[in-house]
Amino acid sequence: GENVEQHPSTLSVQEGDSAVIKCTYSDSASNYFPWYKQELGKRPQLIIDIRSNVGEKKDQRIAVTLNKTAKHFSLHITETQPEDSAVYFCAAGGGADGLTFGKGTHLIIQP
Amino acid sequence: EAEVAQSPRYKITEKSQAVAFWCDPISGHATLYWYRQILGQGPELLVQFQDESVVDDSQLPKDRFSAERLKGVDSTLKIQPAELGDSAMYLCASSFGSNEQFFGPGTRLTVL
Repeated sequence: GENVEQHPSTLSVQEGDSAVIKCTYSDSASNYFPWYKQELGKRPQLIIDIRSNVGEKKDQRIAVTLNKTAKHFSLHITETQPEDSAVYFCAAGGGADGLTFGKGTHLIIQP
Repeated sequence: EAEVAQSPRYKITEKSQAVAFWCDPISGHATLYWYRQILGQGPELLVQFQDESVVDDSQLPKDRFSAERLKGVDSTLKIQPAELGDSAMYLCASSFGSNEQFFGPGTRLTVL
């Protein structure tokens, strides 16, 4: 089955700086790679996703890159703000299949 | 905006007791997923339904867990008997085709 590794487990950045979270996956059949943000005690919420026919996708301050050959994908957040503080999960799957999640990254934005 | 509904939000039970969780997906979403999220970890898929049929239950501990979606709409996940290690957040999600999975608020289970 699919295995997703996520790094780092904790990331602390100064407000206004950029944050990068990296994930690798093992199953070359995976073609859908979403990123979820989860605040304490709340449900995971999709912030951006990418499919395997695209190398990069951007939505305002958030971008995701995908390298299919190396089987890794990354989340980039620019101009970080206090409300970006949360746990971020990467995931991989085959479209309508169930997702395999990484262990999460606790992002801390320092004022 | 339509959301996935789950109940109860919190459940405390003693080990060896039976518990049940309910999920109502977004209207029109044929695919329904149950995930378990242990504190400090990512969600893990337990079972996936397409309409009323099970598509994937390879990670469901079938000796104690069962899931059904009889009419292809809402779904129930049951644990009998509950064990201490079952304490976790149980998340339901739904999707339309191969699009985004929308998560419900979850049921936090504590087994004493």
